[in-house]
Amino acid sequence: DAGVIQSPRHEVTEMGQEVTLRCKPISGHNSLFWYRQTMMRGLELLIYFNNNVPIDDSGMPEDRFSAKMPNASFSTLKIQPSEPRDSAVYFCASSFGAGELFFGEGSRLTVL
Amino acid sequence: QKEVEQNSGPLSVPEGAIASLNCTYSDRGSQSFFWYRQYSGKSPELIMSIYSNGDKEDGRFTAQLNKASQYVSLLIRDSQPSDSATYLCAANFGNEKLTFGTGTRLTIIP
Repeated sequence: DAGVIQSPRHEVTEMGQEVTLRCKPISGHNSLFWYRQTMMRGLELLIYFNNNVPIDDSGMPEDRFSAKMPNASFSTLKIQPSEPRDSAVYFCASSFGAGELFFGEGSRLTVL
Repeated sequence: QKEVEQNSGPLSVPEGAIASLNCTYSDRGSQSFFWYRQYSGKSPELIMSIYSNGDKEDGRFTAQLNKASQYVSLLIRDSQPSDSATYLCAANFGNEKLTFGTGTRLTIIP
């Protein structure tokens, strides 16, 4: 059974460029989460969806960040324009409830 | 702000000994608590969940919850080098959001 699938695994880009991260949740899971992990701040929740609807985006740092979930099997996190301080590992996770999250392998973003 | 606090370590434990990891949380209303393990360069994986006061055992792992003290712990018995990882404590503060601590780095010394 496939787990949460994220792409790309690694992204190196220059400041000001647009970055799009993609996620395919586990089939049957109704909640999807985007987290960001850095050494300084640990694992931070950016936004989460339930049944494709954004429920809480209070963790999105600023308007440069946006997320969509057009259907139950796909979500994107977009950063436009990117900045060096956005460099981090971005994790997508899905769950069927009860708080037991299943994480993807992460997308490591480096903004030069 | 609802928070989860962990000692960042590093915590070093001899192989075969018991490793004890601790976590406190700020919201008395929290109902569910989780321990995730994260190997270096990998994603977090769930190893234990606990919902009620007391102990919950799963193999070499025991999770302990004390809601009155707002305290969660994880004990690892007969520690193995493969247990060396960062352990993340997480709490559910409502809806389905999980708030994570910053993690405790555990090293098992052969």
